[in-house]
Amino acid sequence: GDSVTQMEGPVTLSEEAFLTINCTYTATGYPSLFWYVQYPGEGLQLLLKATKADDKGSNKGFEATYRKETTSFHLEKGSVQVSDSAVYFCALSGEGRGGKLIFGQGTELSVKP
Amino acid sequence: DAGITQSPRHKVTETGTPVTLRCHQTENHRYMYWYRQDPGHGLRLIHYSYGVKDTDKGEVSDGYSVSRSKTEDFLLTLESATSSQTSVYFCAIRASYEQYFGPGTRLTVT
Repeated sequence: GDSVTQMEGPVTLSEEAFLTINCTYTATGYPSLFWYVQYPGEGLQLLLKATKADDKGSNKGFEATYRKETTSFHLEKGSVQVSDSAVYFCALSGEGRGGKLIFGQGTELSVKP
Repeated sequence: DAGITQSPRHKVTETGTPVTLRCHQTENHRYMYWYRQDPGHGLRLIHYSYGVKDTDKGEVSDGYSVSRSKTEDFLLTLESATSSQTSVYFCAIRASYEQYFGPGTRLTVT
C-alpha cells in the first residue's frame, strides 16, 4: 500500500540556518503531495502542496518540489526563524476513493535564537 | 479557518466506558474524516464520510464507529474505551481536494 517516510527528528537549527526535511513516498498512480505544519497545542495547517510531477509548492518561504523520478517531496527553507519551530508532516493522497491522506511520522523542528 | 470545531477538547474516561467525540463544520463540505495522532505514527485515518449516512473504514477502524446524520456533524464513538485508544483525535474536512483540520480532542483512557 501507499506510504510516506520522513527523516527522523528532532531537528535543531540556529535562526537563519537552511532547512531541509526529507520526505519520500511509495504510491500507485499519481498522488498529490502535501506538507502540513503543527504548532504546539494546535491542529494541522496545510503549508503547501503539489499535484503533479515537477510541480513546486511554496508558502511562507517554504518550498517543496514533486520529484517523481526519486519519489521525493523534500521541504526546504532558506532562512528559518524561531517562529518556524513546529512539527512538520509530509502526506500524500492515498489510492482509492475518498481523498484519504497517508501521513509520514512527523519531524519536529526546533529553531534556537 | 475552515469552520471546524471539535468537542470536547479534552476528556478523561475509564476503560470500558463508551465515549463519543463530535466534529462540527459550518461550510457544508461533503467529505469528513477522523484521524488519530500518536507519537511515531503521524496521523492515521480511522473512518471517513462522503455524505450523510455514507461512511467507510480507514486504516485503524477497529474499536471505533461513526455516524453522520447531518452534513455538519460527524460523530466518532468508542463503544468500550481501552487504554490503547488514548490519543489525540483530529477531525478534517475536504475542500478543493485539500484537507483542513479541527483543533483536536485529547482523550485519555485510564
